[in-house]
Amino acid sequence: ETGVTQTPRHLVMGMTNKKSLKCEQHLGHNAMYWYKQSAKKPLELMFVYNFKEQTENNSVPSRFSPECPNSSHLFLHLHTLQPEDSALYLCASSRVHGTGSVEEKLFFGSGTQLSVL
Amino acid sequence: DQQVKQNSPSLSVQEGRISILNCDYTNSMFDYFLWYKKYPAEGPTFLISISSIKDKNEDGRFTVFLNKSAKHLSLHIVPSQPGDSAVYFCAAHGGTGTASKLTFGTGTRLQVTL
Repeated sequence: ETGVTQTPRHLVMGMTNKKSLKCEQHLGHNAMYWYKQSAKKPLELMFVYNFKEQTENNSVPSRFSPECPNSSHLFLHLHTLQPEDSALYLCASSRVHGTGSVEEKLFFGSGTQLSVL
Repeated sequence: DQQVKQNSPSLSVQEGRISILNCDYTNSMFDYFLWYKKYPAEGPTFLISISSIKDKNEDGRFTVFLNKSAKHLSLHIVPSQPGDSAVYFCAAHGGTGTASKLTFGTGTRLQVTL
């Protein structure tokens, strides 16, 4: 399988549940990202991992906890979410330049549509 | 404050005509701009890009124009086809080293009608 794969595609959870989103990339990239897409809003960058090190946390509430065990896998652990957290969560990956900066072109997964009841 | 703005949430164009999608930005330090296309139930896919040192980039039916003085870019699709119906996101790259990242607009939904 190639590209960026996200599971599950859909997730419904209660506010007291704990769940995890999974992302896997088969592109040999070294940077991985979590984005949130809410209706009528821009894609919001949540977290960036560059060679497994978190380089960006865009003021995300602690009820979202990312984990990057290696350059190919990325998780987003969810607990005690709120209904306003319902959105499409997109994972992406990209190459990293020799300077350490991430390449401009991102490759996205299909996303996990999350509904919090 | 949104640094990348797509002021038209939707656009409808007849098949065969030109589609023009617009994007404005506020940060003059952005060095690279990209357009992504998104179908329902799929992730965004890269379409075309342009460096800030250029004013035009063409790839088949798709052309991106950059006006740095106006902080404006546009995507032209000609001729438009029904398969082009999707949401189009404008994105801008900025920052250096590990602080580099993409900033996205809200998207424009293009509907190409028969």
